[in-house]
Amino acid sequence: AQSVTQPDIHITVSEGASLELRCNYSYGATPYLFWYVQSPGQGLQLLLKYFSGDTLVQGIKGFEAEFKRSQSSFNLRKPSVHWSDAAEYFCAVGAGGNEKLTFGTGTRLTIIP
Amino acid sequence: DTGVSQNPRHKITKRGQNVTFRCDPISEHNRLYWYRQTLGQGPEFLTYFQNEAQLEKSRLLSDRFSAERPKGSFSTLEIQRTEQGDSAMYLCASSHIDVGTYEQYFGPGTRLTVT
Repeated sequence: AQSVTQPDIHITVSEGASLELRCNYSYGATPYLFWYVQSPGQGLQLLLKYFSGDTLVQGIKGFEAEFKRSQSSFNLRKPSVHWSDAAEYFCAVGAGGNEKLTFGTGTRLTIIP
Repeated sequence: DTGVSQNPRHKITKRGQNVTFRCDPISEHNRLYWYRQTLGQGPEFLTYFQNEAQLEKSRLLSDRFSAERPKGSFSTLEIQRTEQGDSAMYLCASSHIDVGTYEQYFGPGTRLTVT
């Protein structure tokens, strides 16, 4: 069975500082990996995805993530956060591109001035 | 492209009552998914359709839950004899499997409160 672990429940970062959100997955074959962001009262929005090719993927809003098969990780990074990045971030894994997704428990990001 | 819409956005019901939620996917999206999200948790898969066929149901989906997508367009999720444990956000998503973008587009959700 596939699973996702997001070890950090809550992270606080100063505006302008760099960010890394951790994600570890468990899946037997090549996973389809996703990062979604959820703002209060909003639906989930896809930030980026990986399923093949270059292991460093670029997404929207200046985010990037790196797939490391040896570490079963897909960490999300941003070099300089903005106050508008405050939200809940979810990592997800799927058996295929359009198969059901298994989500982690999320990381809540707080930005301080 | 108007996005995935869900109605109602909020529903308060008393324990034991039946409720029905509606999801309208993005036009021409052939896959439609239902997830449930409780406070402090990530979304959990409930079921999904390809066109009108229900392809998979989670073990989370008890006999009190039923989902339909009768014409391969909108979908309904019904919960019978609601329990307090059913209180959650119910999320709908859709995708187009032939496009190859592998992206599920989520709606804003229906928040259910069972009193």
